[in-house]
Order: sequence, then C-alpha cells, then structure tokens
Amino acid sequence: EDQVTQSPEALRLQEGESSSLNCSYTVSGLRGLFWYRQDPGKGPEFLFTLYSAGEEKEKERLKATLTKKESFLHITAPKPEDSATYLCAVQARGGSSNTGKLIFGQGTTLQVKP
Amino acid sequence: EPEVTQTPSHQVTQMGQEVILRCVPISNHLYFYWYRQILGQKVEFLVSFYNNEISEKSEIFDDQFSVERPDGSNFTLKIRSTKLEDSAMYFCASSFRSNQPQHFGDGTRLSIL
Repeated sequence: EDQVTQSPEALRLQEGESSSLNCSYTVSGLRGLFWYRQDPGKGPEFLFTLYSAGEEKEKERLKATLTKKESFLHITAPKPEDSATYLCAVQARGGSSNTGKLIFGQGTTLQVKP
Repeated sequence: EPEVTQTPSHQVTQMGQEVILRCVPISNHLYFYWYRQILGQKVEFLVSFYNNEISEKSEIFDDQFSVERPDGSNFTLKIRSTKLEDSAMYFCASSFRSNQPQHFGDGTRLSIL
C-alpha cells in the first residue's frame, strides 16, 4: 500500500536555528513528490515538486531534496513567518491511468520563536 | 497570480440534507480534484476529474457523492444525504497536467449537525 510518513510531528525552533523535516514514502513507483505549506484555516500552498532521486529545489530559506526512499525539507535560518504546517505528498505511477491523485503525510507543524 | 476559489467558506447543514460545495479552478487547468481533511487528520483524496468524467475515486467517494463541471468555470461536489462523519474541511484543487503541481483553494468547512 502506498504510504507517506512525516517526522517529526512538531518542531520548535529559535529564529535562525536551521533544521530538516523528513518525509519517508513507500509507493509502487514514484511519479512525483510535492511539498506544501499550510497555514491555519487555509488550503495547502505549493512549494516544490521533485521527480527523481538526486533532484534538489531551493526557494529562499527552503531547500527540498529527494532520494529513492525519502525527501528532506531543509530550513536555513528560519524566521517566525516560516511557522506553518509543512505537508509532503506523493503521486504513484498507476497502470494505464495517471490521474494525479496525491497521497499526503500527516504533516510537520513548525513553530519558529523570535 | 491565478488562484482556486471555493464557496462557501463555511457551511452548516442538518444531517440528511443535501449540500453542494462550489469551486472555480484556475482557468487553463485541465485536471480537477476534491480532497477532504477531518480535523487533526491527513488530507485525503476523494476524486479526480478530467475531460468531463471521473478518472479516479477513493473508497470514501461512495454513491452519496457526485461531482460536476456544469459550465466552463465551475466544479462542484454534491453530498446527497449528509452524515455526521462528513464534517470536515473540503479542498478543491486543479492542475494543468496530472503530474504537475496541484493548486488548492482555501476550503469549505462543512459542519453537519
């Protein structure tokens, strides 16, 4: 069964304290891995797509990396405005119809204190 | 920047009543989705829609659920006879291709009394 597990569930950092969030996945064949940010009461906001092992994407203080079993979201020198829940989702290759279905992890809630 | 819009933001309905959740996807997108998130739980896939038909649906998406794209801009989710366990946040999403990023609306919070 296709599955996504994120760790830790919650993370508290001081402003400027770098860290990494983990997303482990098991799928029959990876079509794509997506990182989203979700603020309270809002929908997921797209951050990155990674399609193959070894790929990296970077945006401001965030960097996403991908291996064959997991992805990391590295946060460098975070600021209080980076506080949010970060969601990882995968698309699996599916026979004759690639429908775009996303399988989400439970998310990591990040709190950055000033 | 184009965005997905959902209405209403909050819907309160009596158990057994029909409810329609509405979405306006990004205009040039071809793939449309509904997801739901029960409080404190993962975001769960409900259904994907392409070329005016359902391309995949989850076990949650039973005969009480239906989707429709009645015109060139709207995408709706109907629940025929709501149950208490249907209470959740419902998100609409759209993408240009099926393997490209899906862009989400801010959701409709559905509360069943």
